[in-house]
Amino acid sequence: GNSVTQMEGPVTLSEEAFLTINCTYTATGYPSLFWYVQYPGEGLQLLLKATKADDKGSNKGFEATYRKETTSFHLEKGSVQVSDSAVYFCAPNQGGKLIFGQGTELSVKP
Amino acid sequence: GAGVSQSPSNKVTEKGKDVELRCDPISGHTALYWYRQSLGQGLEFLIYFQGNSAPDKSGLPSDRFSAERTGGSVSTLTIQRTQQEDSAVYLCASSLEGYGTEAFFGQGTRLTVV
Repeated sequence: GNSVTQMEGPVTLSEEAFLTINCTYTATGYPSLFWYVQYPGEGLQLLLKATKADDKGSNKGFEATYRKETTSFHLEKGSVQVSDSAVYFCAPNQGGKLIFGQGTELSVKP
Repeated sequence: GAGVSQSPSNKVTEKGKDVELRCDPISGHTALYWYRQSLGQGLEFLIYFQGNSAPDKSGLPSDRFSAERTGGSVSTLTIQRTQQEDSAVYLCASSLEGYGTEAFFGQGTRLTVV
């Protein structure tokens, strides 16, 4: 079946450090790909998305590129802030159904 | 309302009782999803409704779980004969069309089975 593998957390970084959270997936065809974020005490919200191969999604300084050859959608940010502390979820949309990874908790220290 | 609304926000129930969780999606959204988030775990897919199509129930963990969506809008998730392992946050989401479109999540219902 379809599945998502995310880098295990928690990830702890200092402010202004570079962030990468790896995500690979198995799916049939070419699903749309999403990153969702859950800030402390808040609901899940969309961070960014890419709907076809080689597309780059970006938002709030975060980027992720749809790599069909490696079935990956790694999340990156060049300089993290304390306010980026949250849990990040990778989610391919296969046939309308969002399948979530286990989530990666990010903690950014001042 | 402007967003996805779930009720109740918290529910404590005794083992063996039935519970109903309600979801009001964003008006006009044809797709509706239910997920379960257990402590320290990711989001487990439960069920997906898309328009008038038969729902995708492949994620329901047992026949104690069922869901319906009336009139293409409000959805109710029912758990019969609750067990302690059913304790979790149940999240509902809706999207305009399903495939490729952003899903908007409610705040969830925290279910505790004692």
